[in-house]
Amino acid sequence: EDKVVQSPLSLVVHEGDTVTLNCSYEVTNFRSLLWYKQEKKAPTFLFMLTSSGIEKKSGRLSSILDKKELFSILNITATQTGDSAVYLCAVCPYNQGGKLIFGQGTELSVKP
Amino acid sequence: NAGVTQTPKFQVLKTGQSMTLQCAQDMNHNSMYWYRQDPGMGLRLIYYSASEGTTDKGEVPNGYNVSRLNKREFSLRLESAAPSQTSVYFCASDWGTGLLYEQYFGPGTRLTVT
Repeated sequence: EDKVVQSPLSLVVHEGDTVTLNCSYEVTNFRSLLWYKQEKKAPTFLFMLTSSGIEKKSGRLSSILDKKELFSILNITATQTGDSAVYLCAVCPYNQGGKLIFGQGTELSVKP
Repeated sequence: NAGVTQTPKFQVLKTGQSMTLQCAQDMNHNSMYWYRQDPGMGLRLIYYSASEGTTDKGEVPNGYNVSRLNKREFSLRLESAAPSQTSVYFCASDWGTGLLYEQYFGPGTRLTVT
């Protein structure tokens, strides 16, 4: 059975800290891995990682994909209170209609 | 562009009542999806429509039906609501299979079944 597991489930840090969120997966016919940020409403897209794009960076956020060890990490440097949210990892397999398999999410709280 | 819109935003039902959640997208996307989100469980796929005229079951389809009314609209129906269907429901859309684009999500519908 396809599965995506995130860790930790929750995390509390102070502004300026660096955090690393983890996502491991067991998915048949992996196509892509996506990271979303959810702030009490709809998830918003952060990154997509594929076989041809295993590292992405946008400002203070960066992500890598290790296809051999079947995991991805999301790094946030110099955290701000606005980074407080649930971060969702999802994997999209081939030949399954484009559906996403989500992990449980990591709830990040950044204290001033 | 409004993106993905959902109605209603909130709904309270009694056990056994029926209702339809509406979803529409204005991005000309081919594929549309319905997810539910429960505490500690991430999002789980209920049904999806890879293209206009087709629908398929996802991970948790029991108790739900869907209709892809046209390319823009994808509705989710609860025929006889149960307390276990209390959840937040998200609709999403993307360009479709074989294409590496992200899914866009609507604002969600918070449903409580008493």
